[in-house]
Amino acid sequence: KQEVTQIPAALSVPEGENLVLNCSFTDSAIYNLQWFRQDPGKGLTSLLLIQSSQREQTSGRLNASLDKSSGRSTLYIAASQPGDSATYLCAVLHGGSQGNLIFGKGTKLSVKP
Amino acid sequence: EAGVTQSPTHLIKTRGQQATLRCSPISGHTSVYWYQQALGLGLQFLLWYDEGEERNRGNFPPRFSGRQFPNYSSELNVNALELEDSALYLCASSLGVGRDTGELFFGEGSRLTVL
Repeated sequence: KQEVTQIPAALSVPEGENLVLNCSFTDSAIYNLQWFRQDPGKGLTSLLLIQSSQREQTSGRLNASLDKSSGRSTLYIAASQPGDSATYLCAVLHGGSQGNLIFGKGTKLSVKP
Repeated sequence: EAGVTQSPTHLIKTRGQQATLRCSPISGHTSVYWYQQALGLGLQFLLWYDEGEERNRGNFPPRFSGRQFPNYSSELNVNALELEDSALYLCASSLGVGRDTGELFFGEGSRLTVL
């Protein structure tokens, strides 16, 4: 059974710091991995999608990497800003999951001015 | 271009009642997914529809049901509401079977409160 774990559960950093959020999954037979952002009480905003054949994706100050063999992904946020404060969710689409995106519990990020 | 839209934003019901939630996918998307986000439980997969057919179902009782209409919009019905059904219900869409990159786009959610 595929399980997704995100560490740490919460993170507080001063503005301007570079930071790394971690995601691990137990079964490497994934179709893709997606990073989302969720503001309190709101829906999910797609940040980056990494297909199983890719090693990383970049969008602006965000960079996500994927290492299938070790079952890990990292989301790197450069020069953090208070507006980056949110919960970041990692989700994997398992090879045979038929549309069932499996989510981690998220990392709650707080960026202090 | 409009994103995934959900209605209502908030819904308050009492135990035993029925709730209906609605979702319109991004234009051109044929797959619609429903997820439940209950406090402390994370996001859990409920249902997946594509081209009007139910493609997969998560580990939820039969009182959770839904359908997809010819215009690809979808509704989720929850019968015989229980207190633990209180949650944020999120709808997502993707391009659809055979065309998909696997990227899901989510709406803002419908907050269901059961009293």
